[in-house]
Amino acid sequence: QKEVEQDPGPLSVPEGAIVSLNCTYSNSAFQYFMWYRQYSRKGPELLMYTYSSGNKEDGRFTAQVDKSSKYISLFIRDSQPSDSATYLCAVNTGFQKLVFGTGTRLLVSP
Amino acid sequence: EAQVTQNPRYLITVTGKKLTVTCSQNMNHEYMSWYRQDPGLGLRQIYYSMNVEVTDKGDVPEGYKVSRKEKRNFPLILESPSPNQTSLYFCASSWAGDNSPLHFGNGTRLTVT
Repeated sequence: QKEVEQDPGPLSVPEGAIVSLNCTYSNSAFQYFMWYRQYSRKGPELLMYTYSSGNKEDGRFTAQVDKSSKYISLFIRDSQPSDSATYLCAVNTGFQKLVFGTGTRLLVSP
Repeated sequence: EAQVTQNPRYLITVTGKKLTVTCSQNMNHEYMSWYRQDPGLGLRQIYYSMNVEVTDKGDVPEGYKVSRKEKRNFPLILESPSPNQTSLYFCASSWAGDNSPLHFGNGTRLTVT
């Protein structure tokens, strides 16, 4: 079983839609969870970071961790064409090592 | 500007010809790491370094070498590249500590023919 699983998409939505991106992870001991955004021909950039369970909000973005089901979610409200990118979930497995999902490609059409 | 700089951005080479991809960061980070990104497989860690002269294998280290002689630099060496090392490579750095986010470079696209 992979440590982190993510649907590769692509996910196509119209501008203004609410987007839900999801990952599952295998080890209940994981505590640090991240979402990275990767534009074409660029490196991943950190979007959201959460520790343990709960929600974290930053503008139009909300990250949610449900440790009971080992589920990580990223919600994007009022999606914009500039949000079109690949979104990578990641868990810190210890000693700074990040294990990434394969990424979900999001396309927001005007 | 705080950044991780990789060179070159694009590289085409032939099987067996040794090459080095350089990585430099200006944030005084202790931790540095190399990842490769392949379709359907995502980002996989090749090697990492917790500090100067301290390096260790990641999940896919075969065919690669690294060194960490200075805090800011972490080159990736392919002694005898093979076609299965054709990939997109990323260097990343962060402060020590599990809650420190990784900062990535913009990648090196390597093609081995």
